[in-house]
Amino acid sequence: DAGVIQSPRHEVTEMGQEVTLRCKPISGHNSLFWYRQTMMRGLELLIYFNNNVPIDDSGMPEDRFSAKMPNASFSTLKIQPSEPRDSAVYFCASSWDQSTGELFFGEGSRLTVL
Amino acid sequence: AQSVTQLDSHVSVSEGTPVLLRCNYSSSYSPSLFWYVQHPNKGLQLLLKYTSAATLVKGINGFEAEFKKSETSFHLTKPSAHMSDAAEYFCVVSDGRTSYDKVIFGPGTSLSVIP
Repeated sequence: DAGVIQSPRHEVTEMGQEVTLRCKPISGHNSLFWYRQTMMRGLELLIYFNNNVPIDDSGMPEDRFSAKMPNASFSTLKIQPSEPRDSAVYFCASSWDQSTGELFFGEGSRLTVL
Repeated sequence: AQSVTQLDSHVSVSEGTPVLLRCNYSSSYSPSLFWYVQHPNKGLQLLLKYTSAATLVKGINGFEAEFKKSETSFHLTKPSAHMSDAAEYFCVVSDGRTSYDKVIFGPGTSLSVIP
């Protein structure tokens, strides 16, 4: 059974460039979460979706960040323009019930902005 | 409001000795509690969960945790550490009162296992 699939696994880009991170949740899961992990701030929830609808995006740092979930099997997190402080590991997680806390994580996308 | 405190940012044990990772929580309602493990350069994996059934919960890889409501604690233990247990461990609380509640992650405890 495939788990949560994220791409790319690693991305190195220059400041000002657009970055798009992709996530395919586990089939049948109806909730999807985007997290950011850094040494300084730990694991931060950026946004989560339930049945493809964004429920809470209060964790999105600023307008440079946007997330979409056009269908139940795909989500994107976009940063435009990117800045060096956006360097982090971005995790996508999915769940069949957003309230239980049982999340299934992808392996993450490591972003480096030079 | 919910919150999670992991009392140690780093724990170091010798291989074969017991492991204790401490977690305290705050929740207005009966919470669901979880421990996740993150190995280097990997995503987080669920170790075990408590959802108001038995207070002693057994998880994967020999780990277990005990829910103590009176102490608002959910400490993670293992009788004998193995080198492969070296990782970051996160305690998580969710009270699930409504369908839109957030899941709250603790700051993490880094476990080192010395040969």
